[in-house]
Amino acid sequence: GQQLNQSPQSMFIQEGEDVSMNCTSSSIFNTWLWYKQEPGEGPVLLIALYKAGELTSNGRLTAQFGITRKDSFLNISASIPSDVGIYFCAGQPEEAGYALNFGKGTSLLVTP
Amino acid sequence: EAQVTQNPRYLITVTGKKLTVTCSQNMNHEYMSWYRQDPGLGLRQIYYSMNVEVTDKGDVPEGYKVSRKEKRNFPLILESPSPNQTSLYFCASRKGLAGGLERFGPGTRLTVT
Repeated sequence: GQQLNQSPQSMFIQEGEDVSMNCTSSSIFNTWLWYKQEPGEGPVLLIALYKAGELTSNGRLTAQFGITRKDSFLNISASIPSDVGIYFCAGQPEEAGYALNFGKGTSLLVTP
Repeated sequence: EAQVTQNPRYLITVTGKKLTVTCSQNMNHEYMSWYRQDPGLGLRQIYYSMNVEVTDKGDVPEGYKVSRKEKRNFPLILESPSPNQTSLYFCASRKGLAGGLERFGPGTRLTVT
């Protein structure tokens, strides 16, 4: 499957700051997912989005399914040290079987 | 507890020595898949299975085999491992074919010398 374009690659921020990252694809997606991976662990699902324009929150995390269905955004408000990890976007294309396509991840570091 | 388990978590082996990494899920999920994760390349799908006895290649299937004889188990087999298969491997499963929501196992770090 295609590799999604995820940016930024890494972020180094101070505790309390807000964080934004995004993901784009060249084709239309039916589903957008955001995962977090901590060192030594597998990715854990944070948010799932199913409709264009959908805005969903999970605590301090908010994600949106882009109107064009080719992009998605994840925002983290008031970051804390335990937000450290790699955030991956993933999506299921409208036409291309059932496999998920993944971004390369955004590595987030938060200093106290 | 609903989960995907993998064994072993860590494995160091030598080139050419056949190995199997087991994967099991207790959620009665139809869809299971294997990924490898490498620095700078992200997660790439190796094989997937849509149900018992139904498997198909993902993006990087060369050098790997899988089987799905039972719904809960999806082992990954490396018949003749090579150093370029040194990687972090994840098994994942989900209910149904559409809708994403893949749940990942904890990972197996494989080193082939």
